[in-house]
Amino acid sequence: GAGVSQTPSNKVTEKGKYVELRCDPISGHTALYWYRQSLGQGPEFLIYFQGTGAADDSGLPNDRFFAVRPEGSVSTLKIQRTERGDSAVYLCASSLRGTFSYNEQFFGPGTRLTVL
Amino acid sequence: DAKTTQPPSMDCAEGRAANLPCNHSTISGNEYVYWYRQIHSQGPQYIIHGLKNNETNEMASLIITEDRKSSTLILPHATLRDTAVYYCIVRQGKGGSNYKLTFGKGTLLTVNP
Repeated sequence: GAGVSQTPSNKVTEKGKYVELRCDPISGHTALYWYRQSLGQGPEFLIYFQGTGAADDSGLPNDRFFAVRPEGSVSTLKIQRTERGDSAVYLCASSLRGTFSYNEQFFGPGTRLTVL
Repeated sequence: DAKTTQPPSMDCAEGRAANLPCNHSTISGNEYVYWYRQIHSQGPQYIIHGLKNNETNEMASLIITEDRKSSTLILPHATLRDTAVYYCIVRQGKGGSNYKLTFGKGTLLTVNP
């Protein structure tokens, strides 16, 4: 079946611009996660959705970052007033449930964001 | 979650077993050991997980020491397609923030022909 998809695969923008990154999770998965991966580092947690609500947004670096999941399926990560330091690969993952003892997260291929 | 320590890189010959070590000396009783891998330009992929018993699936085997302070991921017959960064992650069994995967820098495994 279809895995997690993310669009666009690459996004180049200028400093100060607004960007939206989209994630389509696996159908039926109630939990959705966003991670950010800088060059040479492992992914870092940003936010976790259970259904439509953000259950944990403690990883968002500042208030320029915001994410929504209005119908409990597709999610959009929004970044305002982009800075060069926001350049990274943004990964989305989904899982059947959030907090049960065994809960494999399936990752998408990521969106590579470059801020010039 | 407990911190993990992995070597930054390892090499393995194609067809041989790859043994990837991980230290997690501060692991607590209800924390699992998970392994993910990330092939270049792809998202991480789940491999295997365990609590205290050794585990095996179609991808790999996981050996956890009796004191649970370290573990080894074994790829029994490595292929060129196994070249990737391998992440060892310690994660709570349930409750708390066990939904959150905490990645380190992992081990870059290079399988050579």
